[in-house]
Amino acid sequence: DAGITQSPRHKVTETGTPVTLRCHQTENHRYMYWYRQDPGHGLRLIHYSYGVKDTDKGEVSDGYSVSRSKTEDFLLTLESATSSQTSVYFCAISLAGGSSGTDTQYFGPGTRLTVL
Amino acid sequence: ELKVEQNPLFLSMQEGKNYTIYCNYSTTSDRLYWYRQDPGKSLESLFVLLSNGAVKQEGRLMASLDTKARLSTLHITAAVHDLSATYFCAVDIVRRDDKIIFGKGTRLHILP
Repeated sequence: DAGITQSPRHKVTETGTPVTLRCHQTENHRYMYWYRQDPGHGLRLIHYSYGVKDTDKGEVSDGYSVSRSKTEDFLLTLESATSSQTSVYFCAISLAGGSSGTDTQYFGPGTRLTVL
Repeated sequence: ELKVEQNPLFLSMQEGKNYTIYCNYSTTSDRLYWYRQDPGKSLESLFVLLSNGAVKQEGRLMASLDTKARLSTLHITAAVHDLSATYFCAVDIVRRDDKIIFGKGTRLHILP
């Protein structure tokens, strides 16, 4: 299995509080991604990173920010959590991307977030 | 906007039967992925299809890609209960950014 961990694995928080989820990899892969998974929607990309300090938005980025200060860590922050952000969040990594073609993505175990 | 559609979204079938899951996409792509997800678990990569006509097989699962029709299929032969899972296809947008787009998934339930 690819060396990807996510923390916390489960979190319950209240509306309006900030929340940070962490993705850590030991594979030295350049690309990292944050997805959310909701019933009936499959996986939707929130943000992704193509290198240290290089990030870009996905299709559902509103209300989320990311940071990547080291190759191995990619942080997802919910600036002010809302009930609509209750979801399962997956981190993924891949070796390549861009014009050379996106490589297979390897997924972390997921974080189940509940916003009350 | 790239759209990826899977059908069916839910499939219940008997052990021993054959069936096919379809993945249609709306714009040019030359790279398609299939993933499996067990309930409460993460996604596991099954196949990467890199060119028109590509076919890959692993056990009772076989995936194929027709880039001209913008269609991939995942065929299940003589289904067994252990194949019960949700299957996702995902498509790489040709020479654009670093993203892949996922279908909504096909939930496969195989009855013993």
